[in-house]
Amino acid sequence: GAVVSQHPSRVICKSGTSVKIECRSLDFQATTMFWYRQFPKQSLMLMATSNEGSKATYEQGVEKDKFLINHASLTLSTLTVTSAHPEDSSFYICSAQLQQGVNSPLHFGNGTRLTVT
Amino acid sequence: KNEVEQSPQNLTAQEGEFITINCSYSVGISALHWLQQHPGGGIVSLFMLSSGKKKHGRLIATINIQEKHSSLHITASHPRDSAVYICAVFRRSYIPTFGRGTSLIVHP
Repeated sequence: GAVVSQHPSRVICKSGTSVKIECRSLDFQATTMFWYRQFPKQSLMLMATSNEGSKATYEQGVEKDKFLINHASLTLSTLTVTSAHPEDSSFYICSAQLQQGVNSPLHFGNGTRLTVT
Repeated sequence: KNEVEQSPQNLTAQEGEFITINCSYSVGISALHWLQQHPGGGIVSLFMLSSGKKKHGRLIATINIQEKHSSLHITASHPRDSAVYICAVFRRSYIPTFGRGTSLIVHP
């Protein structure tokens, strides 16, 4: 089946630094990648939709200057948390679709647990 | 009110029991997905439904479009089924809306 690799799985950083999270589709070309944030005991919250070669579409309330998303190729999207603060500590997870559409399966990465000290 | 409601929020079962998790939604949808999130956080897509019923091993998923309701059933549950099960709906766009999840623990 389709595999999505997310790296790193866990990262601890100091307040004020930036952290980059990578999401790769290993055996398929992903037209669309999604980035989510999940708080403890909460559902997935969509942050942005990333399409290869174009600017990401951010959901309402998500700061695009703080959460930089780059989808440079059909197999790689990155999320950079800039000037991280303790309140950015969370679980971040990506998903990818082979083709954009409601009937295209979602393939998820294993997530990244970010802790900002 | 969340557009996607799941019940129960938490579920404990003994190994071998038949389990049902429900998902109700308030908007018209094009497709519904059932997802399984393991304790480590990784998420696996179990089913993608737009009508009727699908079966994969011990898992069965059904959807009733008119009633805006879907169920996920697990037959002969096993401790390895312990996970959070999440319902996700797609409206006309390709953007999913997620339920809060149902946390299932199956005891041996």
